[in-house]
Parts: sequence; structure tokens; C-alpha cells
Amino acid sequence: DVKVTQSSRYLVKRTGEKVFLECVQDMDHENMFWYRQDPGLGLRLIYFSYDVKMKEKGDIPEGYSVSREKKERFSLILESASTNQTSMYLCASSPVDRVSTFFGSGTQLSVL
Amino acid sequence: DAKTTQPTSMDCAEGRAANLPCNHSTISGNEYVYWYRQIHSQGPQYIIHGLKNNETNEMASLIITEDRKSSTLILPHATLRDTAVYYCIVRVAFNQGGKLIFGQGTELSVKP
Repeated sequence: DVKVTQSSRYLVKRTGEKVFLECVQDMDHENMFWYRQDPGLGLRLIYFSYDVKMKEKGDIPEGYSVSREKKERFSLILESASTNQTSMYLCASSPVDRVSTFFGSGTQLSVL
Repeated sequence: DAKTTQPTSMDCAEGRAANLPCNHSTISGNEYVYWYRQIHSQGPQYIIHGLKNNETNEMASLIITEDRKSSTLILPHATLRDTAVYYCIVRVAFNQGGKLIFGQGTELSVKP
């Protein structure tokens, strides 16, 4: 089975902290994605990557950056966390044929 | 990517077929119809996809109208574990990075 693993299920951080959300996939997928999910707004794409060291902005990249140094790992970085970044963050990966996308279980981030 | 319209919520009796509709009247010829679902507190899960023909797998069936402007996801014998939000997404199979754009989805409640 494909596994997309997010490092933390729940995370609590302070305003202004630098936050790293880690995601690892074990199926050698080329594409990886970061979404956030908020009540009433659904899932929104933050960033995606279709190759190592490549990244593309999604629909809401402001306040975030990403890093993909290795194929299996895609990190989301909140440079200076703010309360409006409190959300559920979902990582996903897909193979080059892009037929199906596999999601992790999510990280519920609370910024206080 | 084409926009989709789904009912906000639906109920289904356990053991009966659940038929979830989706309108995608602006779909292009090279766009596929994908269905995902999200069970509470989990990441979205791929269900099925199709282009023109009806499709069936171990989870569900997908019926696409001849003009491709609408489709129906069928769960043949719904169980309580099928209670989830179901997302209908249309996109080019090999669009940039394979990103998925999620709408609001249909909240399906399967009742005993």
C-alpha cells in the first residue's frame, strides 16, 4: 500500500515561530503537494512539486515556503506562524501518470 | 479545470445504493472526471475516475452521461463506513503537476 506519512498529527505553536511540517512518501512518486483545509473553504492548494528541487505555487502560497531536497520528502515551512495559519494541513503525492493522488492523514496545526 | 456542482448533503439507508450526482457542464474533451472521498479526520481517498465510458471498480461505479456534462457515483450497497464527504473533480489527466482542485463536495450520511 502507498503510504504518505506526515510527521505530526497535532501541533501547537506560538505566533512568530518558524514551523516545519514534514511529509514522506514511500512509493517513489514524482509529484507532491501541500493543501490546507478549513471549514467552509474546503481544500486549497498551497504548493506542489513535480520533481526534486522543483516547486510551484498553488492557490494560496503567501506565508509559506517549501523544500524538496529528496524525492520522497516534501516539507512545508511557515516562516513566521500567524493565527490565521491555524488549519488542517494535508500532504499528498501522485505518480507521473497522475491517475490517482494519495493523501496523508493530516496535521492539525494550532497557532496561538 | 472545469467547475463542478454537487448537492451539499445527502442521506442514504444502510444497504441501499447511494447515487451521488455531479454537474460539470463546462467540461472539456480532454478532461477526466475523478471522485475522491474524505472520511472524518482522514485525508481524501481516491475512488474512481473516467473519461467517457462508465467505469466500475471494487469501491464504486461511475456513470458519465453521453454529453459528459454530468456524472453519477454509485456506491452499490452503502455501509455506515461510507459516511464521508464525496468530491467530484474534473481535470486534464496530465495537467501541470497533477494538482487537484477541490470543490465543497457532498456530505453523505449513511443511516442504519
